Amino acid sequence: GAGVSQSPSNKVTEKGKDVELRCDPISGHTALYWYRQSLGQGLEFLIYFQGNSAPDKSGLPSDRFSAERTGGSVSTLTIQRTQQEDSAVYLCASSLGGHTDTQYFGPGTRLTVL
Amino acid sequence: QKEVEQDPGPLSVPEGAIVSLNCTYSNSAFQYFMWYRQYSRKGPELLMYTYSSGNKEDGRFTAQVDKSSKYISLFIRDSQPSDSATYLCAMSQPTGNQFYFGTGTSLTVIP
Repeated sequence: GAGVSQSPSNKVTEKGKDVELRCDPISGHTALYWYRQSLGQGLEFLIYFQGNSAPDKSGLPSDRFSAERTGGSVSTLTIQRTQQEDSAVYLCASSLGGHTDTQYFGPGTRLTVL
Repeated sequence: QKEVEQDPGPLSVPEGAIVSLNCTYSNSAFQYFMWYRQYSRKGPELLMYTYSSGNKEDGRFTAQVDKSSKYISLFIRDSQPSDSATYLCAMSQPTGNQFYFGTGTSLTVIP
């Protein structure tokens, strides 16, 4: 079956521009997570959705970062006024929704801010 | 201090060797412990999942949790070149939905 997909796979942008990253979770998965993976930093939790609501936004690094999820499915992570330190791989994962349910990760979007 | 500490390696072993990967953590509230494998340019995939302390075995893989020492391990027996990847530990508390990941250990198994 189809796994988690993310687009674009690569994004190169100029400092100061806005970017949108998209995640299509596995059908039927109610929980959706966004992470950031930087070299030597591991996976950094950004935000968690249960359905369309985001009960935990504690990981968003600044107010330039926002995310939404519509129809309990597709999610978009938006970074406004990108900075060079935003360069990283942005990973999305989805799960059935229970705390112990396995998270299935997408391949990530590699963002490079010049 | 980071919530989860993991030696980034790199670790290089000959085929057939036993590999030991480890993480330490500081939060005694962690109850769920996971190991993920990540191949280059791919997302992580779950390998092992353990609740609380003890051992769990799955084929060539064994996960160990020592909560008294705040220390978890993943052992790979009879390592294969296809095991070459980055291994990340992750853990979480019983409540909340935030998962804390280590930085990952890069493993290369040489044929």
